Amino acid sequence: EVQLVESGGGLAKPGGSLRLSCAASGFTFSNYAMNWVRQAPGKGLEWVSSISHSADSINYADSVKGRFTISRDNAENSLYLQLNSLRAEDTAVYYCARIRGSSGWDFGYWGQGTLVTVSS
Amino acid sequence: EIVLTQSPATLSLSPGERATLSCRASQSISDYLVWYQQKPGQAPRLLIYDASNRATDIPARFSGSGSGTDFTLTISSLEPEDFAVYYCQQRRSWPLTFGGGTKVETK
Repeated sequence: EVQLVESGGGLAKPGGSLRLSCAASGFTFSNYAMNWVRQAPGKGLEWVSSISHSADSINYADSVKGRFTISRDNAENSLYLQLNSLRAEDTAVYYCARIRGSSGWDFGYWGQGTLVTVSS
Repeated sequence: EIVLTQSPATLSLSPGERATLSCRASQSISDYLVWYQQKPGQAPRLLIYDASNRATDIPARFSGSGSGTDFTLTISSLEPEDFAVYYCQQRRSWPLTFGGGTKVETK
């Protein structure tokens, strides 16, 4: 069974940093591209970043480019998102998501999410 | 950036009725369109990929159609557990984008 468990969320001040983690199990992590998607309170879904299975292809939403960094450790079956220069508008539940199949940027499996709150 | 516009924003229906949800893309995305369902307090769940293919374990009452710029998600007969928010997403090009969602609520 595919399992994705996010951690690392919490309260941060504007301009501060957080590091989110996503522990994956139930599949061969190194074979799959991974993603972060966020959802502000009461709002819709927003794609944040994607990373290929070997980390040789990375993409970011314009809203986070230059501030957030996605990475992965295939030996540890883990996905990360480093959040720097945080803003109030980054407040959201952050979901880790695996693509459905071996290719194609859709989100077949999701974690339960971790809440990031940016406030002074 | 490809903009996805979902309509209506809210759909008020009764159990047993047919639901028809629309997603329109600002430019052609071929069939690279995905549908998700999200219930309160839960992560989204993938329903339909590549416009018309049901994901694993998705009931047959859910169907998707369309290509190019106009797409439809149909729920043939609403079950109580189908009242939720539905999002479309395009995977044709970066940045990946979602529609604003359609809430299917009980009439």
